[in-house]
Amino acid sequence: DTGVSQNPRHKITKRGQNVTFRCDPISEHNRLYWYRQTLGQGPEFLTYFQNEAQLEKSRLLSDRFSAERPKGSFSTLEIQRTEQGDSAMYLCASTGTSTDTQYFGPGTRLTVL
Amino acid sequence: AQSVSQHNHHVILSEAASLELGCNYSYGGTVNLFWYVQYPGQHLQLLLKYFSGDPLVKGIKGFEAEFIKSKFSFNLRKPSVQWSDTAEYFCAGGGGSQGNLIFGKGTKLSVKP
Repeated sequence: DTGVSQNPRHKITKRGQNVTFRCDPISEHNRLYWYRQTLGQGPEFLTYFQNEAQLEKSRLLSDRFSAERPKGSFSTLEIQRTEQGDSAMYLCASTGTSTDTQYFGPGTRLTVL
Repeated sequence: AQSVSQHNHHVILSEAASLELGCNYSYGGTVNLFWYVQYPGQHLQLLLKYFSGDPLVKGIKGFEAEFIKSKFSFNLRKPSVQWSDTAEYFCAGGGGSQGNLIFGKGTKLSVKP
């Protein structure tokens, strides 16, 4: 069990640029969740996958946000035309079922200048 | 609407003091409750969880929490804190088919040596 990994750990970009983050879940976990955490707040749910199916995406913050998990293993979260308000920590978590413990990765910290 | 609230933003204690961090939830249906901890520079880690059964739940590092249904509470306790308990603590609720977690805003704990 190598844990959940996320890359990159830090990303600095200019407003208007597109960014993509990657999450590699624990290998036997079929559920993968994305959360966003801003300063002074707890993580906020964005979207989740069961295997390759994206079962909830209405919580994505705008249509500039999209996520994929093409082969049911790793997932990517893309933000197009970044805005300064997108600056946050983006967290990924994986689990085996809807009620099991979610294991979190270290997060990707995005700074939009 | 489902929500989780944490009463304290920042708690400062001396070593050996007792700790109680408040958490209240607003949920319909089955509720699963969690406490996660984030040590400085590290990712979120599970301290303990409650799904059903004995309302007094014991977790790692001497922490425990009590689920009180009538008060909609799930407070975290530790009889004697150590400097190494300095961290941010998040209460979260989850459940349903999606399984996504709803987090409180977190409580920062500072333990003075």
